[in-house]
Amino acid sequence: AQSVAQPEDQVNVAEGNPLTVKCTYSVSGNPYLFWYVQYPNRGLQFLLKYITGDNLVKGSYGFEAEFNKSQTSFHLKKPSALVSDSALYFCAVRDEDSNYQLIWGAGTKLIIKP
Amino acid sequence: DVKVTQSSRYLVKRTGEKVFLECVQDMDHENMFWYRQDPGLGLRLIYFSYDVKMKEKGDIPEGYSVSREKKERFSLILESASTNQTSMYLCASSWRYEQYFGPGTRLTVT
Repeated sequence: AQSVAQPEDQVNVAEGNPLTVKCTYSVSGNPYLFWYVQYPNRGLQFLLKYITGDNLVKGSYGFEAEFNKSQTSFHLKKPSALVSDSALYFCAVRDEDSNYQLIWGAGTKLIIKP
Repeated sequence: DVKVTQSSRYLVKRTGEKVFLECVQDMDHENMFWYRQDPGLGLRLIYFSYDVKMKEKGDIPEGYSVSREKKERFSLILESASTNQTSMYLCASSWRYEQYFGPGTRLTVT
């Protein structure tokens, strides 16, 4: 069965420090992986995706994520956190052979303290 | 830019009422989705549609129905609203990979 795990409900980081939001997944075939961000009382915004190619993908707002096939992980990273990065982050996965349905993680609340 | 709009940001309905949530996208996307979002549960798919008049059940279709008469519009219907349907409802559309979301409708059923 396909699944996504975001092991941390909340991550706290000081402004200027690097941040990591973790995601691991399980699919039967090759994964398509996605990160989204949700600001308070807003819909989800697409940040980045991994479909194929380079394991390190870069996205919006200075975020990047690294696809690690052996560890079945797709952690979201940013070298220097901003207070404005505080939001709810969702990881999602789709098997390349499945229909269009995404499997979603439960979300990680990222809090950046000044 | 892709734009997905939802008919209401906030909605309050009474138990037993019929509720319509409308979603419109302007990018000619084939696929459209309805999710509900509850704290700690992430997003759960209610229904999706891959073409006009075509629909498939998601993970939690009970108590909901959908309608897609035109490509750009996907409606979610709560036939008889219940308090356990109080939630944030998100609509999305997609073509190949990523999904694009509307701002959400926060529905409260009293």
